[in-house]
Amino acid sequence: QKEVEQDPGPLSVPEGAIVSLNCTYSNSAFQYFMWYRQYSRKGPELLMYTYSSGNKEDGRFTAQVDKSSKYISLFIRDSQPSDSATYLCAMSADNYGQNFVFGPGTRLSVLP
Amino acid sequence: DVKVTQSSRYLVKRTGEKVFLECVQDMDHENMFWYRQDPGLGLRLIYFSYDVKMKEKGDIPEGYSVSREKKERFSLILESASTNQTSMYLCASSFQRGVPNTEAFFGQGTRLTVV
Repeated sequence: QKEVEQDPGPLSVPEGAIVSLNCTYSNSAFQYFMWYRQYSRKGPELLMYTYSSGNKEDGRFTAQVDKSSKYISLFIRDSQPSDSATYLCAMSADNYGQNFVFGPGTRLSVLP
Repeated sequence: DVKVTQSSRYLVKRTGEKVFLECVQDMDHENMFWYRQDPGLGLRLIYFSYDVKMKEKGDIPEGYSVSREKKERFSLILESASTNQTSMYLCASSFQRGVPNTEAFFGQGTRLTVV
C-alpha cells in the first residue's frame, strides 16, 4: 500500500460545480497537510496548509482533515475554468519541514 | 511572499554534458530540496539539504550530485547527462527558524531535455 493515495482522475466538471478532491494516507504520524495546485509546465503552488485535524477556509477553497479516518479533502466552490490544473496533496510528520510525502496528483478540468 | 527561483525554465543538453541547475530562495529557509517529476511517477526526491554544506540522498540520487555553499542557493549537478534524465526538475525550500510553519514552497520548474 502506498503511503499516500490520491485518485489520479482526470476529473471533469462544469463551471460552477463544487469539486471534492481527496487523499488517504496510512501513516498516523502525519500532522501537517498541504494542498498544491500545479498548472501545466509550472511548479506546484501552495494552496492550503493545515495542522492536525479540522477545517480551513480560504475564499472558494476549503481544506478538511480527518485524522481518525486518515483522510483529507480539498473542496472548491463555484469552480472556474482557471481552476483547471493538477492538485497534489502532501503530508509531513516532522516539525522541521524535512520529510514530505506527496500524492500522485488529480487532474481537474473545469469546463466552461 | 516566499520566492524560490530556478535559473532556467527550459534547457536542452546533449548526452554526456555536465549540467548545472541552480535554485535560490529568499526566505532564509533551512531546508532545500531537488525533485524530479515524471508522468505517472509523481514527485521523486533526488537530494535534500538541511544546512549549508549538508546533504542527504533522496529516493533517486544516482547520476546526480548537489552543492549548497550558501544558505540561499542549492545546485543540482548532472555529472554526465543521459536521455533518461529528461524530466521536469523542481526545487523547493522549507522551514524558517522561529516561524511555526513547515510547508514546502516550490520554484517554477526546469524542463530539461537531454538529446
